[in-house]
Amino acid sequence: QLQLQESGSGLVKPSQTLSLTCAVSGGSISSGAYSWSWIRQPPGKGLEWIGYIYHTGSTYYNPSLESRVTISIDRSKNQFSLKLTSVTAADTAVYYCARGVTAPTYFDYWGQGTVVTVSS
Amino acid sequence: DIQMTQSPSTLSASVGDRVTITCRASQSISAWLAWYQQKPGKAPRLLIYKASSLESGVPSRFSGSGSGTEFTLTISSLQPDDFATYYCQQYKSYYTFGQGTKLESK
Repeated sequence: QLQLQESGSGLVKPSQTLSLTCAVSGGSISSGAYSWSWIRQPPGKGLEWIGYIYHTGSTYYNPSLESRVTISIDRSKNQFSLKLTSVTAADTAVYYCARGVTAPTYFDYWGQGTVVTVSS
Repeated sequence: DIQMTQSPSTLSASVGDRVTITCRASQSISAWLAWYQQKPGKAPRLLIYKASSLESGVPSRFSGSGSGTEFTLTISSLQPDDFATYYCQQYKSYYTFGQGTKLESK
């Protein structure tokens, strides 16, 4: 059974960089059939797709966040990562990693989510 | 950007009821639509993809329909475990979600 687990800093100061990692187990991140996404959910609000990466390293980002986002992949560790720069309070959210099925894509496996708070 | 609008925002229903949630896209997305269920403190769970295909392991009381700009999620006979928030998601152009429909007990 595929499992995804987010980890990273839960508290980030304004203007700094948010960094998260998603460890994938029970399957290979190098499979060409899937993409690997980050999705976030501010408190009490809906879901926002941030971006995804393929095993090749190709990335696609939400245009509204593209200037601040970098997603990378580490095939040797079977994990992928998110960096979001110049954070503000508006970036406070639960951050999920998820697997996308081919492209265009829906998300069939999700991590449990990790809370990130932006505060000084 | 393709905007997704769900209605209603909140729905009160009883166990055994037939429930329908609507999702409208700001432009045609063919059948590139998924539905998710989310419970408090949990990650979303995929229910339906490609507008009407049931994800493996999802009870058959859930069904989806529609194409183009209007879609529905139907629960044929509401069970206690179904009280949750439901989201639609388009994947025609990038990926956007509806604002959610909270299904609560009447």
